[in-house]
Amino acid sequence: GQNIDQPTEMTATEGAIVQINCTYQTSGFNGLFWYQQHAGEAPTFLSYNVLDGLEEKGRFSSFLSRSKGYSYLLLKELQMKDSASYLCAVRDSNYQLIWGAGTKLIIKP
Amino acid sequence: IAGITQAPTSQILAAGRRMTLRCTQDMRHNAMYWYRQDLGLGLRLIHYSNTAGTTGKGEVPDGYSVSRANTDDFPLTLASAVPSQTSVYFCASSGDYTGELFFGEGSRLTVL
Repeated sequence: GQNIDQPTEMTATEGAIVQINCTYQTSGFNGLFWYQQHAGEAPTFLSYNVLDGLEEKGRFSSFLSRSKGYSYLLLKELQMKDSASYLCAVRDSNYQLIWGAGTKLIIKP
Repeated sequence: IAGITQAPTSQILAAGRRMTLRCTQDMRHNAMYWYRQDLGLGLRLIHYSNTAGTTGKGEVPDGYSVSRANTDDFPLTLASAVPSQTSVYFCASSGDYTGELFFGEGSRLTVL
């Protein structure tokens, strides 16, 4: 079966760095997405990786290793507004998105 | 402001009643989706439409139906609601080659 694994919850300190991991087993691979979802709101797009390596976008970076079925989202200089759930999703060979359950990130002052 | 509009935002519904969740986008995206989100689970695809006039079943289609008469509208109908359909429903669309999804604000549905 297809599976996306990410930690349920993480806690970090304001100003620090946090890495959220995502491992996947899917039938085929056509890209990996990270979305941010604040409580009670809709998910919003953060990043897209289709080739191995690191994609940097401001304070956020996303890494992909297709051979290992692994990605991480790196958040630097954490701010209180970064408290949210972070969703990992993989597009499979049928171009359907398979979603992880999300990682709830709690930022403490 | 371009985007996706869902209605209603929230609804409490008696079991057995029929309910339609509305979704309208003004981005001229071809593909549209309906997801449900439940605590502890990832987003689950109910139905999708790759272009106006076509629809397809997702991971959890039972008890739901959709139509896509035009590019902009993609309503989701629960023919006879059951308590297990209590959830937050998100409509989404995508239009470019990356497949980035744009989500509506969600419709919180409670079936009693």
